[in-house]
Amino acid sequence: NAGVTQTPKFQVLKTGQSMTLQCAQDMNHEYMSWYRQDPGMGLRLIHYSVGAGITDQGEVPNGYNVSRSTTEDFPLRLLSAAPSQTSVYFCASRRTPGANTGELFFGEGSRLTVL
Amino acid sequence: GENVEQHPSTLSVQEGDSAVIKCTYSDSASNYFPWYKQELGKRPQLIIDIRSNVGEKKDQRIAVTLNKTAKHFSLHITETQPEDSAVYFCAAGGGADGLTFGKGTHLIIQP
Repeated sequence: NAGVTQTPKFQVLKTGQSMTLQCAQDMNHEYMSWYRQDPGMGLRLIHYSVGAGITDQGEVPNGYNVSRSTTEDFPLRLLSAAPSQTSVYFCASRRTPGANTGELFFGEGSRLTVL
Repeated sequence: GENVEQHPSTLSVQEGDSAVIKCTYSDSASNYFPWYKQELGKRPQLIIDIRSNVGEKKDQRIAVTLNKTAKHFSLHITETQPEDSAVYFCAAGGGADGLTFGKGTHLIIQP
């Protein structure tokens, strides 16, 4: 199994551009999520999904869209990039939706810079 | 929503000594408390977790304690080694909306 795969690993955007961060998992996990990591801020939840066709907002959803058309894929879209979205983005998945059901598996991260 | 406070932000210990990282949480409904380790440039990985029906859990040199009344939980690392140097994150959660993470502790092991 490849686990959780994110692409691209690095991306530079100009303010106002749009882009999609891809996330795929091959573990048949129901729960998928996106976090952003900023220095001194820990990991903050952007959006999450408890199954195909279901998405919900996390702590910092503004400026981001998600969709979950399949169990495997959970792309994160930046509609109009802003410098405040410069961050490292992690996709993570878990076997079942409940937070107390075990390990969250992270992708390798995507480093995004918005100029 | 849940709020998780983590202290200290940086911890430097001599190799072989013990390290303790502490977290508090605000939501009494939280019932799952994992700890993740993140090495420089790598992804976070689970090292140990505890559920609210347990007060303490140990795995070799790592232990976690939970005080539900005080809403505190702590990570204890004994006999620290150079490979323990990393950023450690605590987290708290209980429902389908996921985990809330602390801001992290940078653990430095001095030779």
